[in-house]
Amino acid sequence: GESVGLHLPTLSVQEGDNSIINCAYSNSASDYFIWYKQESGKGPQFIIDIRSNMDKRQGQRVTVLLNKTVKHLSLQIAATQPGDSAVYFCAENNAGNMLTFGGGTRLMVKP
Amino acid sequence: GAVVSQHPSWVICKSGTSVKIECRSLDFQATTMFWYRQFPKQSLMLMATSNEGSKATYEQGVEKDKFLINHASLTLSTLTVTSAHPEDSSFYICSARAPLAGDEQYFGPGTRLTVT
Repeated sequence: GESVGLHLPTLSVQEGDNSIINCAYSNSASDYFIWYKQESGKGPQFIIDIRSNMDKRQGQRVTVLLNKTVKHLSLQIAATQPGDSAVYFCAENNAGNMLTFGGGTRLMVKP
Repeated sequence: GAVVSQHPSWVICKSGTSVKIECRSLDFQATTMFWYRQFPKQSLMLMATSNEGSKATYEQGVEKDKFLINHASLTLSTLTVTSAHPEDSSFYICSARAPLAGDEQYFGPGTRLTVT
């Protein structure tokens, strides 16, 4: 079946550096993508979203890039801070209006 | 706005007993609520979609007689884990979608269930 997946389970970066978290999706019919941040023992927290008619969207310190040609999604975090340490999930919204989550990447920020 | 709460935040129960988890949308009406299960160090897996006033739609592999879902009002959905077993121990997360908010889902804080 269709799925969303991540390849790197852990990303370790130095405080102040930029972080890039990648995600591959396989459902070409998906039209809406979201990045979530999940801290230990908490529910997912919305970070940023993007629709399929866009290839880039920027928020505060975060940017999401969408490459529909290769079905790739990335989350860029500028000037990574210790508070950014968490697990990050990409999710795609499919035609049934349901979310399919990727496997997650743990971001560790070293002070 | 768009706050979703869950109760309890954690629960420990004995094998064979049933546990009810509540999901509430606090400041909006949710026509659709979703229930997810998350095992340690894994992603969220959708269990079922719950629409107010109708039967829930379960994902493949999720036993509807074991995971009872009731969406009795526009602000409350409940998940009852019946005859719980240790393998049901997991983090259960609900989300809610508001009718006029498009595709975005608002997530609850999760409920940690431990079955002994």
